Amino acid sequence: GIQVEQSPPDLILQEGANSTLRCNFSDSVNNLQWFHQNPWGQLINLFYIPSGTKQNGRLSATTVATERYSLLYISSSQTTDSGVYFCAVFGTSGSRLTFGEGTQLTVNP
Amino acid sequence: EPEVTQTPSHQVTQMGQEVILRCVPISNHLYFYWYRQILGQKVEFLVSFYNNEISEKSEIFDDQFSVERPDGSNFTLKIRSTKLEDSAMYFCASSAPAGSYNSPLHFGNGTRLTVT
Repeated sequence: GIQVEQSPPDLILQEGANSTLRCNFSDSVNNLQWFHQNPWGQLINLFYIPSGTKQNGRLSATTVATERYSLLYISSSQTTDSGVYFCAVFGTSGSRLTFGEGTQLTVNP
Repeated sequence: EPEVTQTPSHQVTQMGQEVILRCVPISNHLYFYWYRQILGQKVEFLVSFYNNEISEKSEIFDDQFSVERPDGSNFTLKIRSTKLEDSAMYFCASSAPAGSYNSPLHFGNGTRLTVT
């Protein structure tokens, strides 16, 4: 099946800093989503981005499907950004969304 | 905005007992999924369901697991005889409004299952 690798596994920032999270995947995809898992365990959908660039406030994402990677940018980080960020992809064959291992982000005040 | 709703939010059960986790997907969605996440680990696919049958299942989804869409709104996951290692957060998801193939999955808030 499709493989999803996220980096870095852990990231510690000071409030106000910017960061880039990376997601590499091993095959062509129909769907790519970024999620934020909050401290209560809820999966918050950030972006649906199989290709191109999107922005939502301080967050933006870019997927380069031909090179099989996606980037999530967080600018002016806040303590409420802390949590685990997951990338998940839906390959062109099969019917499952496959998650990466996640990036654990800690934003300190 | 429509949501996927899951009940209960927490469930505690004894080893060997049957549990049923319930989900109400978004009303015009056609594809339904169950995922699980053991504490501190990644989110793992269990099963996908379309047109009243299983589309795909993972190696985790053994004979102890079953899914059902008993009516037009609910989607359930049954674990027949729970084991300690079934303790996890279980997420339901739905996708693909009619007429759309590539669309995002929408996840519920999860049911935290604890097997004692």
